[in-house]
Amino acid sequence: GQQLNQSPQSMFIQEGEDVSMNCTSSSIFNTWLWYKQDPGEGPVLLIALYKAGELTSNGRLTAQFGITRKDSFLNISASIPSDVGIYFCAGPFNNDMRFGAGTRLTVKP
Amino acid sequence: DTGVSQDPRHKITKRGQNVTFRCDPISEHNRLYWYRQTLGQGPEFLTYFQNEAQLEKSRLLSDRFSAERPKGSFSTLEIQRTEQGDSAMYLCASSNYVSGELFFGEGSRLTVL
Repeated sequence: GQQLNQSPQSMFIQEGEDVSMNCTSSSIFNTWLWYKQDPGEGPVLLIALYKAGELTSNGRLTAQFGITRKDSFLNISASIPSDVGIYFCAGPFNNDMRFGAGTRLTVKP
Repeated sequence: DTGVSQDPRHKITKRGQNVTFRCDPISEHNRLYWYRQTLGQGPEFLTYFQNEAQLEKSRLLSDRFSAERPKGSFSTLEIQRTEQGDSAMYLCASSNYVSGELFFGEGSRLTVL
């Protein structure tokens, strides 16, 4: 099936640093979604992107819909300890929403 | 709270037993999705409903898995004759259109002994 490839798999950063992660696909997507998941909880939607080239912010988070429509980026500025978690990209494919395997973020105080 | 709710949050069962999970979606959402998530992986799509119609079920993992949404509101996911490999988090999500945003519940974690 259609794969969404996320990189990096994991990141260990110091509090206050900026973070960048991305998601790529071999197919074109019309929507990109970014979710965060805390341990033992369901994913929570952070940002939704609907247009190629779109740049959208949500507080310290900024996400971009790649021009080729085959990739998306998520940036977190000035990270804080509560940013710890797994970040997933997702996009609709056929009749379901496909998810990447996630980027696990660890923030050291 | 008007979010997606799932019950139970945790279920421990013995191999061979049947288990059922319930999901109550956001009330104005007509689409309801079931996903499975194992450790270190993203959510894996199982099935979805639009209102009471199950429009995609080919991705259910085996014929031991079945889902219903009898009145187009809440849904149940049943796993019959559970196996240890069924141990996972089962997530429910709802949305109000196909390319729209999925809102997830907190999940039901299944442990099969």
